[in-house]
Amino acid sequence: ETGVTQSPTHLIKTRGQQVTLRCSSQSGHNTVSWYQQALGQGPQFIFQYYREEENGRGNFPPRFSGLQFPNYSSELNVNALELDDSALYLCASSSSSLGGETQYFGPGTRLLVL
Amino acid sequence: QQQVKQSPQSLIVQKGGISIINCAYENTAFDYFPWYQQFPGKGPALLIAIRPDVSEKKEGRFTISFNKSAKQFSLHIMDSQPGDSATYFCAAFYSGNTPLVFGKGTRLSVIA
Repeated sequence: ETGVTQSPTHLIKTRGQQVTLRCSSQSGHNTVSWYQQALGQGPQFIFQYYREEENGRGNFPPRFSGLQFPNYSSELNVNALELDDSALYLCASSSSSLGGETQYFGPGTRLLVL
Repeated sequence: QQQVKQSPQSLIVQKGGISIINCAYENTAFDYFPWYQQFPGKGPALLIAIRPDVSEKKEGRFTISFNKSAKQFSLHIMDSQPGDSATYFCAAFYSGNTPLVFGKGTRLSVIA
């Protein structure tokens, strides 16, 4: 176990709705990255948060947004859900003081958009 | 543009055999290459990683071979076991809190 927790584990939404996913980082880690993993694909980077600010973003539209809190936990918000947003959403925590390359993943949240 | 190409897409190996998964990268700025193991319904778990100043790294039954000039690296699983059946992802990273760039994954099945 990595110590990275995510909630909820599963979620079913309908197209056009909004969703919030949560992540608690591993103790001592100050950076959280979010990834989207479509079925049968590798994780794709959404964005990263460091010191409560977005610190890099992948090729995802603005309806994907996030937050990081003072305790380094994080939220991923997706507005106006589309069918293609159905995926496993992963958060990974890392420590900037250690270079940030060793990222530990949570179990993910499985989102299904109908 | 896919920065990390992984092959094969799927692999079936007999118990006790050697599993080999290959990855190639394009960006020479990458300086850290991890492999992740993912079981169904779980998040990826870090398995082993290597930096380009080393040509090989071994941890138990898992070995990474790295060829900097060819921009390729591979994972070897010795004495493969049914419990190794999972999807394996190679990834690449360069310094600066940048994201991991993943390959598309290899589904390994180890049969008795």
